[in-house]
Amino acid sequence: QVQLQESGPGLVKPSETLSLTCSVSGYSVSSVNYWAWIRQPPGKGLEWIGNIYHRGNTYYNPSLKSRVTMSVDTPKNQFSLKLSSVTAADTAMYYCARDLSRITIFGVITGTDGFDIWGQGTKVTVFS
Amino acid sequence: QTVVTQEPSFSVSPGGTVTLTCGLSSGSVSTSYFPSWYQQTPGQAPRTLIYGTNTRSSGVPDRFSGYILGNKAALTITGAQADDESHYYCVLYMGGGISVFGGGTKLTVL
Repeated sequence: QVQLQESGPGLVKPSETLSLTCSVSGYSVSSVNYWAWIRQPPGKGLEWIGNIYHRGNTYYNPSLKSRVTMSVDTPKNQFSLKLSSVTAADTAMYYCARDLSRITIFGVITGTDGFDIWGQGTKVTVFS
Repeated sequence: QTVVTQEPSFSVSPGGTVTLTCGLSSGSVSTSYFPSWYQQTPGQAPRTLIYGTNTRSSGVPDRFSGYILGNKAALTITGAQADDESHYYCVLYMGGGISVFGGGTKLTVL
């Protein structure tokens, strides 16, 4: 059974960097699929942050691209999100998900079959 | 920037049929946008219903169906049940590796 679990600080100060990790069990992060981060501000809708392939290929939401960095740790079977210079607008529930993007042999995305497995989410509050 | 549009809210009677749509602020949705649909109840992570326009995710009952309706993606729920009362989100693939969520539809069953 594939499971994803987000972890990280629940409180981050403005202008600092938010760091989250998604631990994957029952499946290898080195498998042929992407891994995604999605967030949801309180009372609002879902927002795609970006995704990463185990070879390091990444795609980021253009509105967040300048502040986002994703990485994969294959020995630990985890992938991570860093969001810099956070403000109150970054307060949200953050989800990680297995991303079934269709990809070429080079890891380039050509389409998607969506996000099939989600973590339970971790709440992050930007608060001074 | 193109926005993915969904009805903010919808209501359906128990046992009834409802169709939710997912469109673009500019242009038409086709299968090339690989529409997918997600159900989210309060306090829970989203659950995948449909991907690739019309493929039901594992365990999703056939009361849920996805397709292209005119210039939008559509999700039809037949035989609505009380536990279908949720928020429903669509996602469209915009190309260049980028996916965009719609704003979501709050479905009420009453």
